[in-house]
Amino acid sequence: LAKTTQPISMDSYEGQEVNITCSHNNIATNDYITWYQQFPSQGPRFIIQGYKTKVTNEVASLFIPADRKSSTLSLPRVSLSDTAVYYCLAFDDKIIFGKGTRLHILP
Amino acid sequence: NAGVTQTPKFQVLKTGQSMTLQCAQDMNHNSMYWYRQDPGMGLRLIYYSASEGTTDKGEVPNGYNVSRLNKREFSLRLESAAPSQTSVYFCASSEYQDYGYTFGSGTRLTVV
Repeated sequence: LAKTTQPISMDSYEGQEVNITCSHNNIATNDYITWYQQFPSQGPRFIIQGYKTKVTNEVASLFIPADRKSSTLSLPRVSLSDTAVYYCLAFDDKIIFGKGTRLHILP
Repeated sequence: NAGVTQTPKFQVLKTGQSMTLQCAQDMNHNSMYWYRQDPGMGLRLIYYSASEGTTDKGEVPNGYNVSRLNKREFSLRLESAAPSQTSVYFCASSEYQDYGYTFGSGTRLTVV
């Protein structure tokens, strides 16, 4: 069972780059790493997924080192609207969400 | 494009009552899931269905049953509601189990 560990909360300021790191020491060879964003009173929203190295889309970048025991979600130039909970998942046959990282963007 | 639709959005039950939460997706996804989220907590998987005709238990299946009615619909039933089942319930679907999920907007259930 791949289990992830990420910080409980983080604060940052508008315009900054935010990096959230997730540890997944027991990740299996075939597991992907996926990140979700959740706003209050809404369901989580898929942000990005990767297997190794670097993946980038219009919202974020995901960095995965060669050993794949951790990953870093990078949000460039955050705004107040990026205040949310961010979940890191490493695929298992029973998809497990942890408590996520509560990101608070300050003006 | 509706995505994942959950009904009802809100429900209040008395202890011991039963109800079924409905979920439907229009993306032709193979896999569907039910989660619950308690205040300040992450999501916990109740049941999932990897494909039409199959269902499996998640982390917290006790007190719940599910039915994968067809490829589109996956329902969650509470046979005898308890106050501990007060929560927000989310349904999700995905094309494959290892790919990004699409979530519904949730059902806020209160059991008194």
